[in-house]
Amino acid sequence: GAGVSQSPSNKVTEKGKDVELRCDPISGHTALYWYRQRLGQGLEFLIYFQGNSAPDKSGLPSDRFSAERTGESVSTLTIQRTQQEDSAVYLCASSFAPGLVGAGEQFFGPGTRLTVL
Amino acid sequence: AQTVTQSQPEMSVQEAETVTLSCTYDTSENNYYLFWYKQPPSRQMILVIRQEAYKQQNATENRFSVNFQKAAKSFSLKISDSQLGDTAMYFCAFMKDSGANNLFFGTGTRLTVIP
Repeated sequence: GAGVSQSPSNKVTEKGKDVELRCDPISGHTALYWYRQRLGQGLEFLIYFQGNSAPDKSGLPSDRFSAERTGESVSTLTIQRTQQEDSAVYLCASSFAPGLVGAGEQFFGPGTRLTVL
Repeated sequence: AQTVTQSQPEMSVQEAETVTLSCTYDTSENNYYLFWYKQPPSRQMILVIRQEAYKQQNATENRFSVNFQKAAKSFSLKISDSQLGDTAMYFCAFMKDSGANNLFFGTGTRLTVIP
């Protein structure tokens, strides 16, 4: 597609349930990022994938959060045993590999708004 | 660690006027990038302008320009001839030139353009 897509657009779940959020990056972008945006706040980095390298998980807030990426395509962010403080918008972004011409500009998806009741 | 500070939670400007949004950052890196992103109510993050730290010349993109002061670690955004469509949250962001290349964001400035 032309841009980064994310699904679902909105997700309402009950406390304690697991959720999966999906991100489809721009074709050709080897770098993929997940961010969390709490209400009225800036974005917090969660995890970074670059090609087949081991992901940088340094931003994940707890072991309830995990993410996978298949090659250089789709990524899923999984939150287990959701808590009310997990309510936020989860944004995905992709970019060319760092070091290449044009690297640095991240293209964002529209986000998934997660509400944990 | 990198931190980005936006000290203006909210700003307003009359249509066609000029407004400046402030941003300061803290880093020990010498090479890095700075960005301004716009987030309208649709939630879509849109890149407004970027600046490479090694470039002394301030970046400009049509009505948007920056004042980059590397020594002062300041990176302000100037919007000229403000338009109603400029109403949005504006985020300043920092990215290292090495490693994970993730963005570090400020808390944002909500800009309202008044007709």
